[in-house]
Amino acid sequence: DAKTTQPTSMDCAEGRAANLPCNHSTISGNEYVYWYRQIHSQGPQYIIHGLKNNETNEMASLIITEDRKSSTLILPHATLRDTAVYYCIVRPASGGSYIPTFGRGTSLIVHP
Amino acid sequence: NAGVMQNPRHLVRRRGQEARLRCSPMKGHSHVYWYRQLPEEGLKFMVYLQKENIIDESGMPKERFSAEFPKEGPSILRIQQVVRGDSAAYFCASSPRQGWTDTQYFGPGTRLTVL
Repeated sequence: DAKTTQPTSMDCAEGRAANLPCNHSTISGNEYVYWYRQIHSQGPQYIIHGLKNNETNEMASLIITEDRKSSTLILPHATLRDTAVYYCIVRPASGGSYIPTFGRGTSLIVHP
Repeated sequence: NAGVMQNPRHLVRRRGQEARLRCSPMKGHSHVYWYRQLPEEGLKFMVYLQKENIIDESGMPKERFSAEFPKEGPSILRIQQVVRGDSAAYFCASSPRQGWTDTQYFGPGTRLTVL
């Protein structure tokens, strides 16, 4: 029962912006959108999260649509080291029983 | 501030042996989560622990697997009588506050190979 859907793979030229989409059409009002990435053979790395407003940090920007049914992770100037699998997940903002589901994610390949 | 530590990074066991995987959470974090990642698959939740308590073990196989997070020391994921299907990467994550509402930070993983 996937709560998010992402494209299986994408590619991007080095130095260009990488825009990774995620659909979460069944998201609840109290659920955050989280993004993680996993570089080959490493543990997942937290990138960013948001609830309603767009967010930006030193790694990326997160754009959430007004109806919150989809979002886009933006890596403004992709580098070769950004090649990884990117996971979009939804998580509740308050306590309660919850099993995180990472799914297959999007495999982003940044090429020279 | 050291991140989540896991050891060993690589572990090789023969079928029938026991595997012990250790996880030291980030300083100040009292919540630990274990995940398993089979080759070419996504992460699957296994168990969520606080100090001396198992909060949610709904993702743990019913047999041979156990986990603990004692008052002192690292969290341990124990797999008894390992089989080839247990070969996977096992990741630990920690968070400072209650449960799933807080950001989890992951360790580098332990890669278990069962011969």
